[in-house]
Amino acid sequence: QSVLTQPPSASGTPGQRVTISCSGSSSNIGSNTVNWYQQLPGAAPKLLIYSNNQRPSGVPDRFSGSKSGTSASLAISGLQSEDEADYYCAAWDDSLNGYVFGTGTKVTVL
Amino acid sequence: EVQLVESGGGLVQPGGSLRLSCAASGFTVSSNYMSWVRQAPGKGLEWVSVIYSGGRTYYADSVKGRFTISRDNSKNTLYLQMNSLRAEDTAVYYCAREMDSSSPIGMDVWGQGTTVTVSS
Repeated sequence: QSVLTQPPSASGTPGQRVTISCSGSSSNIGSNTVNWYQQLPGAAPKLLIYSNNQRPSGVPDRFSGSKSGTSASLAISGLQSEDEADYYCAAWDDSLNGYVFGTGTKVTVL
Repeated sequence: EVQLVESGGGLVQPGGSLRLSCAASGFTVSSNYMSWVRQAPGKGLEWVSVIYSGGRTYYADSVKGRFTISRDNSKNTLYLQMNSLRAEDTAVYYCAREMDSSSPIGMDVWGQGTTVTVSS
């Protein structure tokens, strides 16, 4: 079950900035780093952000992450049509000894 | 090339068993945390299980006592033995590699997924 809360949807026009929030608790986001995944239709998830704000090689710098307390956010600046996808936050949970994922946010490019 | 390839999914009756495999190439499974993550049709991602490099294992409450994660170092392959399957276990199952060998900061390599359908 999802323990991290995200808005179900977000949208913007090409070039705009979109922000997705992720709310957790002291046992997950409050104690560990946050990562973000992008899932295109019919594809496996792809790591977008790790350790709160780090981008793996190859991820455009249009994607940025931040964390404060028990919440985190993902920002997509200069929105492009290929950014249309589902986005999930995740964090290790110390009480579960495993990952908890967010509920997922579907980003639509208008 | 670093890659994970899952296999073993299929149609199984409620109460049945299935073993999923995840063959790794380009890295050593036993050197990393390795997880199974699933996604029910039209739903979000759900973490299922992890095996640490040291061999310790943990499970989501929803599968505890029914699923077993393991690895074969000689074959560089991760497994998920699933017993007492239920309709709610129907999902695409992904294996994934933790990018850091000693702490969970993000899963950077994912397989393509294998579909498990539990139905009579």
